[in-house]
Amino acid sequence: AQTVTQSQPEMSVQEAETVTLSCTYDTSESDYYLFWYKQPPSRQMILVIRQEAYKQQNATENRFSVNFQKAAKSFSLKISDSQLGDAAMYFCAYRSRGGSEKLVFGKGTKLTVNP
Amino acid sequence: KAGVTQTPRYLIKTRGQQVTLSCSPISGHRSVSWYQQTPGQGLQFLFEYFSETQRNKGNFPGRFSGRQFSNSRSEMNVSTLELGDSALYLCASNLAGGLGEQFFGPGTRLTVL
Repeated sequence: AQTVTQSQPEMSVQEAETVTLSCTYDTSESDYYLFWYKQPPSRQMILVIRQEAYKQQNATENRFSVNFQKAAKSFSLKISDSQLGDAAMYFCAYRSRGGSEKLVFGKGTKLTVNP
Repeated sequence: KAGVTQTPRYLIKTRGQQVTLSCSPISGHRSVSWYQQTPGQGLQFLFEYFSETQRNKGNFPGRFSGRQFSNSRSEMNVSTLELGDSALYLCASNLAGGLGEQFFGPGTRLTVL
């Protein structure tokens, strides 16, 4: 079974600075998807960024980028120019490539942005 | 396009009762998944439905069940409620397949007393 580990329960960053959230995963599959989801205090979970395992190029979405290291099974999220609205719980998630849409989540990292 | 809706948003039940939660996916989405979120266990997969068929099931007791209707709306039922069932129950829908984004609803907060 696949597992996802987020080793940082809490992180904080100053507004306008950069922060990196860590995620490692364990799988015996060679093809899969990885995601970062954000859950603000309002509780609605939204997708931040996604990565296909067969793509070597790291995904980027505006201020958000990932460092995907397939051999190391590492998938970190970098947030540049942090904004107050980035404060939330961030979840790393894994999904097999195949029929099921099942997501396996890490325990999450609570990000605080200080003004 | 309307997002994923879940009803009710908040629910208080007592031990031994049963509860039914509802999820309406985004129009056109045929896949619906359910997750339980608790402070201790985090987000855990309950089950997934596609075209009225359960495609995958998580490691939960048989007290947890679900179904999907022909309009893709889904319900989950928990019978004989236990204190440990108190959680935020999240529903997610997507078009199914590929790298499709899963869209989450706001959740139903269930409290079991």
